[in-house]
Amino acid sequence: GENVEQHPSTLSVQEGDSAVIKCTYSDSASNYFPWYKQELGKRPQLIIDIRSNVGEKKDQRIAVTLNKTAKHFSLHITETQPEDSAVYFCAANLRGGGADGLTFGKGTHLIIQP
Amino acid sequence: SQTIHQWPATLVQPVGSPLSLECTVEGTSNPNLYWYRQAAGRGLQLLFYSVGIGQISSEVPQNLSASRPQDRQFILSSKKLLLSDSGFYLCASGQGDSPLHFGNGTRLTVT
Repeated sequence: GENVEQHPSTLSVQEGDSAVIKCTYSDSASNYFPWYKQELGKRPQLIIDIRSNVGEKKDQRIAVTLNKTAKHFSLHITETQPEDSAVYFCAANLRGGGADGLTFGKGTHLIIQP
Repeated sequence: SQTIHQWPATLVQPVGSPLSLECTVEGTSNPNLYWYRQAAGRGLQLLFYSVGIGQISSEVPQNLSASRPQDRQFILSSKKLLLSDSGFYLCASGQGDSPLHFGNGTRLTVT
């Protein structure tokens, strides 16, 4: 069936280094790709998103890249800080954005080592 | 901007007891509404979605049901809870090509 694969499941980086999380999706009709950050015990919150008509989007230390041909997109966090520690989820609107909404990856637990 | 209210925040229920979780949305009209479950702090599983009053679609067969009695109200229910129903339940609002906004969630523990 249609799905979103996310890697790695856990990522540990030194404070100040960069972190990259990758996702692939199965449906070429997908056109919206958000990233969510979830801190322990809290709800997921949108941190950045990208649509299929652009290849890259940046917001301060966070950037997302999209390769439509290969059907993968990535989250890049530069100059990581302790507060970046959280679980990150990628998502895609499989089936071209039907009413069933977003399909999420399984999440990446990002650990920032001091 | 829209706000999603969910209650209760935490709930401990014995196996076999009924369940009712409520979600209400402010700041938007005719939203698509969703119930997600998150087990063991990872993975968001879509349980139900609704595009309008009385319209419910189920993504997975399970012990739960959903109802939408009003435009901005979405209810998750069970007649008899199972241990496997434990988890973090999130209500969300949005459209297929725009961000989903989540409520604060209900942490359900079935004992």
